[in-house]
Amino acid sequence: DSGVTQTPKHLITATGQRVTLRCSPRSGDLSVYWYQQSLDQGLQFLIQYYNGEERAKGNILERFSAQQFPDLHSELNLSSLELGDSALYFCASSVNFQETQYFGPGTRLLVL
Amino acid sequence: GQQLNQSPQSMFIQEGEDVSMNCTSSSIFNTWLWYKQDPGEGPVLLIALYKAGELTSNGRLTAQFGITRKDSFLNISASIPSDVGIYFCAGLRSGTYKYIFGTGTRLKVLA
Repeated sequence: DSGVTQTPKHLITATGQRVTLRCSPRSGDLSVYWYQQSLDQGLQFLIQYYNGEERAKGNILERFSAQQFPDLHSELNLSSLELGDSALYFCASSVNFQETQYFGPGTRLLVL
Repeated sequence: GQQLNQSPQSMFIQEGEDVSMNCTSSSIFNTWLWYKQDPGEGPVLLIALYKAGELTSNGRLTAQFGITRKDSFLNISASIPSDVGIYFCAGLRSGTYKYIFGTGTRLKVLA
């Protein structure tokens, strides 16, 4: 158990809908990262927050947004969902923005 | 997005054999991490390397931070069936704060 929690574990929705994925970092970690992993693919970095502020952006679509709250948990919002958005979404956390990242168990999103 | 070159992409080995995989880049890295991912699960950190030339072990796993700081290697000795999974490397490039992930090595162990 990495100490990073993600909810929900599974999510099934329809195209055009909007979903919110939630992540709680390890105790003491200030930085949260979001990744997307499509079937049999590597990890694609989406976005990073550090102590409530956006720190880095990767290949995140405009339909996606995220935020980190004062209690350091983070939410990833995916809107106008398309079939191709079906993937595993991982959250990772680290003490600060250069330290080792610890991954959560992921949220498996299926868009029908 | 930007990714490290990881090889081999996949490998089948017999139980008991040793396994080697590596990650290479044209850039210099300050930190190398090796993760293992089981199907449908999140990556789990195996080994972290912070210094060029560093050799670190975790049980049957040994990883090295390349002297040139552009590569890293992971070895698994005497493989067992539960070593099956995808192994990812991740590197923190010098002067940046964003980790880049390798494309993964898919390992299958034949009993």
